[in-house]
Parts: sequence; structure tokens; C-alpha cells
Amino acid sequence: DGGITQSPKYLFRKEGQNVTLSCEQNLNHDAMYWYRQDPGQGLRLIYYSQIVNDFQKGDIAEGYSVSREKKESFPLTVTSAQKNPTAFYLCASSISGRAWLNEQFFGPGTRLTVL
Amino acid sequence: GQNIDQPTEMTATEGAIVQINCTYQTSGFNGLFWYQQHAGEAPTFLSYNVLDGLEEKGRFSSFLSRSKGYSYLLLKELQMKDSASYLCAVRDLGRAGNMLTFGGGTRLMVKP
Repeated sequence: DGGITQSPKYLFRKEGQNVTLSCEQNLNHDAMYWYRQDPGQGLRLIYYSQIVNDFQKGDIAEGYSVSREKKESFPLTVTSAQKNPTAFYLCASSISGRAWLNEQFFGPGTRLTVL
Repeated sequence: GQNIDQPTEMTATEGAIVQINCTYQTSGFNGLFWYQQHAGEAPTFLSYNVLDGLEEKGRFSSFLSRSKGYSYLLLKELQMKDSASYLCAVRDLGRAGNMLTFGGGTRLMVKP
């Protein structure tokens, strides 16, 4: 079955540690996105990538880093510079940036808690 | 910039109809999406409007008025499983790629 996977579903880390969240898709989508969701709030864009080996900062990129070495994979690293990293992290993908409908498909999310 | 507003919470009764409103301000409107998100899960796509009017899909309908910067999601024959958050998101020509800007979401509670 095609889809987007994120692992793990729950992640606990100590303050000051970097942590990498995985996101894999087998939908053959060109574009991938990382969002952060805080309780009772909407999704905020962290980083996005429209093509392999290229990515752009979103609205709240500070304290995060990404890579896009393969079309299927878009891992997100939450660094120790991120002041408030505890949140629900959602990865999404879409066919490309310019199609008519081109809705984004979301993975199941990773809930990161920094202790 | 973009600004998207929707009510924080709504409550409705099983079997009833509920309308969730969304207003937006954007420099280059290029479509409005509604997503459903159950607690702790991924958002799932419900509807897309880019032209004015009503799009109907089963029990769910979505309406758009571009001149008013306004959309609503209409849910009919409410079921308990419709208890979820409903996210309004706007795509803006002024933003690169397919980036969406999301509202804060409306948490709908359906009561028996």
C-alpha cells in the first residue's frame, strides 16, 4: 500500500540532545513538508522540499534542519537550539508544487517530548 | 501575509447539521482546503474549493466566496465519529510551491 510513514510515534529526549524524526513516502511524490502542531493550534510549516537535494525554510525553521538525499525520504532533525521542541510533528507530501488540486497527504505524526 | 480565522470549538447533537466557518485574508488566493483531524492522528483531506460555490461530497459540503474571503464546511446527519478538529487551509500564489497556511482548527464535539 502507498503512503507516508513516520517513526517513532512517540519519542522522548533529554534537553540539549539533537533528535532526528524520520519520514518516508512511497507515493512517488516530488514535494515533502514538515509541520509542527502545538495543542489547540493549527499546523505551522518548518521546512519543505520540492525536489531531491533541494529544500527551503518555512515559517518556523529556527532550531531545525533537514536533508533530502532521496525522493522517498525527508528526515527532520530537532537541534538543541530549538527552544521549545515538545510538539506533534507531521510530515506531508504532494505530487508537485503546481498541479490543480494537489492536496497534501499526511503521515501519522511523531509526538516528541523533551524532558 | 496571511490570516485565517475559524472558531476554536463547537458542539452539536448527533443527527443534526453543523456549519464551521473560515475567513481568510491572502494576497494571491489559489484554493482552500478542509481537513479532518482526529486527536493524535494525521489530518485527512475532506474538500477543495478554488471557484465560488458549493462542493458537495456525501454528508460533507464546502462553500467558497472569494470576494468575501469566506468558506464554510457543512456537516449533515452528524455522527459521533465526526467529533474531530476541522482545519481550514489556504494556498497562496504568493508563496512558493504548494505551501498551505493553516487556521488554528475548530474542535467539534458531537453529543448523543
